[in-house]
Amino acid sequence: ETGVTQTPRHLVMGMTNKKSLKCEQHLGHNAMYWYKQSAKKPLELMFVYSLEERVENNSVPSRFSPECPNSSHLFLHLHTLQPEDSALYLCASSQGTAYYEQYFGPGTRLTVT
Amino acid sequence: AQKVTQAQTEISVVEKEDVTLDCVYETRDTTYYLFWYKQPPSGELVFLIRRNSFDEQNEISGRYSWNFQKSTSSFNFTITASQVVDSAVYFCALLTGTASKLTFGTGTRLQVTL
Repeated sequence: ETGVTQTPRHLVMGMTNKKSLKCEQHLGHNAMYWYKQSAKKPLELMFVYSLEERVENNSVPSRFSPECPNSSHLFLHLHTLQPEDSALYLCASSQGTAYYEQYFGPGTRLTVT
Repeated sequence: AQKVTQAQTEISVVEKEDVTLDCVYETRDTTYYLFWYKQPPSGELVFLIRRNSFDEQNEISGRYSWNFQKSTSSFNFTITASQVVDSAVYFCALLTGTASKLTFGTGTRLQVTL
């Protein structure tokens, strides 16, 4: 596989469920990101990992928990979500965090019921 | 603070027309990078171009061209002879050293019809 892949592509979960989103990059990059894209809002950066260490956490609620076990994989663990968390969750990677273009995955469309 | 404004929410053109997507940015940094991304209906953001603040040369890539003007803080994107496959949401983004993260505009939805 090439580029950045994300699974699942679609997810429907209840407010009491626990689920995880997975992202994998095949580009040899050192930085990975989670973004949230809601309707009619700019993309919101959620988390940044550089060399497997979290370097940015943009005041994201604790019901979202990221994990970066190595430079190729990134997870977003979800629990007790709210309906307003329904959105497209995009993963991206880049060579580094400064001035490099980011390459995005296709996203996971999450619906919280 | 960093800000990117894409004033055009939606543009509709007929195939083969030329179309320009506007992007205006704000930053106090002297070193920064500007980007354009395309998001087709499939959802994935596709990287189109990166331009640094010291390089004001315009760039052309096939039917795509970019006009960077520091004097007006603009980085506009023109598609020549548009095609239906160009239909997508286009995002302009800004990356600065102090912010160390991409600031996106709200996007412009381009609809190209036959």
